[in-house]
Amino acid sequence: DTGVSQDPRHKITKRGQNVTFRCDPISEHNRLYWYRQTLGQGPEFLTYFQNEAQLEKSRLLSDRFSAERPKGSFSTLEIQRTEQGDSAMYLCASSSQPTSGLHTDTQYFGPGTRLTVL
Amino acid sequence: RKEVEQDPGPFNVPEGATVAFNCTYSNSASQSFFWYRQDCRKEPKLLMSVYSSGNEDGRFTAQLNRASQYISLLIRDSKLSDSATYLCVVNRDDKIIFGKGTRLHILP
Repeated sequence: DTGVSQDPRHKITKRGQNVTFRCDPISEHNRLYWYRQTLGQGPEFLTYFQNEAQLEKSRLLSDRFSAERPKGSFSTLEIQRTEQGDSAMYLCASSSQPTSGLHTDTQYFGPGTRLTVL
Repeated sequence: RKEVEQDPGPFNVPEGATVAFNCTYSNSASQSFFWYRQDCRKEPKLLMSVYSSGNEDGRFTAQLNRASQYISLLIRDSKLSDSATYLCVVNRDDKIIFGKGTRLHILP
C-alpha cells in the first residue's frame, strides 16, 4: 500500500499523559499536513510542512502541541499533558508541491489516529 | 462567521433524484476550491476540484461564483453509494480550510 499511513490508529490515554502520533506520507510528496477533526465538524488545519520546514501553524496548535518532520519524510505530532478536549481524530495528509500556476495540489489523507483522553 | 460555511443537512433524497449543495466562503483572497467526500469514520477523499469555468465529472458538476463567493456541487441520478458527507474546501495562501460538511442520505 503506497498511500498515507498513520500510527497508531487508536489511542486511549489518561488526562495529563503525553502522546505521539506518526504519519508516513506518500513517498514522492514533499508537503505534509496535520488536521484535527471532531464529530460533526470538518477537519481543522493544525500545521503543514514543506520538506522538513514547518511553514504554518494554526492558532489551534497550543504550546502543548508540537510537530516535527526531521528528514522531510515521516512526521510526528506530540501532545503533552493531554486534556479531555484533545479527544478527536487526528488526520495527516500529503501532497506534492504544485506546478507553476497552481495554488495547491491534491491532498491525500491517511486513515487518521483516533485519540480518546479519559 | 466561519470562513467556509455549508448547510449541514442532512439531505434525504430518493435514489435517482438530483441534489445540489452550496458552500459560501468569506475571504475573497481564496485561490482554489475543492469538494471532498467523507464516508462515516473514514478519511476525506478528493471528489473534484472546482474551476471558474465550471467542471463536470460524470454525474457530478461543480461551479464556482467568485463574485458571490460561493461554490456548488450538483449530483445527478443519485445512487445509494453517494450517501456520505460532502466537504467544501477552500485554499488561501496554502492554508486549507474545510467546511463542516453536508450530510447526504440517498433513500432506496
